[in-house]
Amino acid sequence: GAGVSQTPSNKVTEKGKYVELRCDPISGHTALYWYRQSLGQGPEFLIYFQGTGAADDSGLPNDRFFAVRPEGSVSTLKIQRTERGDSAVYLCASSPGTSGRADTQYFGPGTRLTVL
Amino acid sequence: DAKTTQPPSMDCAEGRAANLPCNHSTISGNEYVYWYRQIHSQGPQYIIHGLKNNETNEMASLIITEDRKSSTLILPHATLRDTAVYYCIGKPYSSASKIIFGSGTRLSIRP
Repeated sequence: GAGVSQTPSNKVTEKGKYVELRCDPISGHTALYWYRQSLGQGPEFLIYFQGTGAADDSGLPNDRFFAVRPEGSVSTLKIQRTERGDSAVYLCASSPGTSGRADTQYFGPGTRLTVL
Repeated sequence: DAKTTQPPSMDCAEGRAANLPCNHSTISGNEYVYWYRQIHSQGPQYIIHGLKNNETNEMASLIITEDRKSSTLILPHATLRDTAVYYCIGKPYSSASKIIFGSGTRLSIRP
C-alpha cells in the first residue's frame, strides 16, 4: 500500500517568510510524528499527534513552529518568520498508535527546506 | 528512553555478514530495542525490533543479550544497497512515543 508522503519535496524560501509543509500518513494510522534533520545529524523530534490532538510538542524549538492535524489524517507543519537556521530536512512518520502493541514508525521521504 | 552507544562507522565486504553492535546498558524492562537505517537522502527505514528474544525477519536478525544490555544487528549477506546509517534505539513498549535518535553507525559495504 501507499507509504507516508510529504509535499513539497523541496522548498526554498527567503528569510522572514512563512512556509507550510504537508504530510499524508499511512491510511488508518492514528499517530503522526514530525522530526527535522540537519546535515550530518540524526533526526530530532518536534511533535507528535494521536488523532487530532498534539500528544507531545516538547520538541518544537520556539513559537514560530506550529503543527495541525484537524481531521486526524493529514498534518501541516507551519513555520512563521523563517530563519536561516530553520534550513533542514523535515521528516514525517506515522504509526498505528495501537495501545498494547509495539509502535513502529514509518517515515516519509522528507521535505528539504532551504531558507536563503 | 534508554541511551544507546554505537560505533561511529564500520565497513564490511559485499556478500559477508555485517554485524552492528549496540550498547544499551540503561535500558528499562518496558523498552524495546529498535533498529532503523537511513540510506542517503531518504527517510529512516524500520528494520526490526525486539524485547528480549532474538528476532529475525526478511531484512535482518537481532540478537539481544540475556541481560538486555547490548544487542547486535546482523545483515546476513550485505549488499552495496545496505550502505546506510544504522540507528539503534530504546523505546517504550506499547505506546506511541517519540524516537530519540543518536548518531548511529555509518556502515559502508565495499565491493
